[in-house]
Amino acid sequence: GEDVEQSLFLSVREGDSSVINCTYTDSSSTYLYWYKQEPGAGLQLLTYIFSNMDMKQDQRLTVLLNKKDKHLSLRIADTQTGDSAIYFCAEDHNNDMRFGAGTRLTVKP
Amino acid sequence: DVKVTQSSRYLVKRTGEKVFLECVQDMDHENMFWYRQDPGLGLRLIYFSYDVKMKEKGDIPEGYSVSREKKERFSLILESASTNQTSMYLCASSLSTGTYEQYFGPGTRLTVT
Repeated sequence: GEDVEQSLFLSVREGDSSVINCTYTDSSSTYLYWYKQEPGAGLQLLTYIFSNMDMKQDQRLTVLLNKKDKHLSLRIADTQTGDSAIYFCAEDHNNDMRFGAGTRLTVKP
Repeated sequence: DVKVTQSSRYLVKRTGEKVFLECVQDMDHENMFWYRQDPGLGLRLIYFSYDVKMKEKGDIPEGYSVSREKKERFSLILESASTNQTSMYLCASSLSTGTYEQYFGPGTRLTVT
């Protein structure tokens, strides 16, 4: 079964905030990641958070980590049509990575 | 910038053919990975390699083999392609230290008819 779980779809209006949620199972993960995949392209690292942090902010992106609940979220402020993509949550796992199934974010104008 | 390249963006093969997917990275990374990506299933690890001539099975190795003769090159081999191997194949590489960030190639969309 999936070690990392996330919902498959999210739709928002341009200018709104988007929140993509993820749950993971490996409490020994050192890093947790968010990757973005645009149509026809490979995955690109968007941001990551060290496991001893609660929050990380990078311009329009905010990552929140709740280690107790093994819950990770990505908030995109002022979502733009260019943010439409698939977002993957991932945890490091013995020098390997476990990915969620990906959340397809659709931004409506 | 790290660059991971894959030999083909699109490939069409017939059932039973032997298929080679090539991946090359230019950043001297120790680790290399092959994933397949299917709708609703995300990325599933097929094989990975942490050094030249070393390989480890991932979650779904059946029907696949790999080869890593040189550090920069990691090949995925389908010995006898089947229609259920129609998928998007993604190669990635990473250092073995630090944040373990994986850098991905653009993917190869393989169709087996």
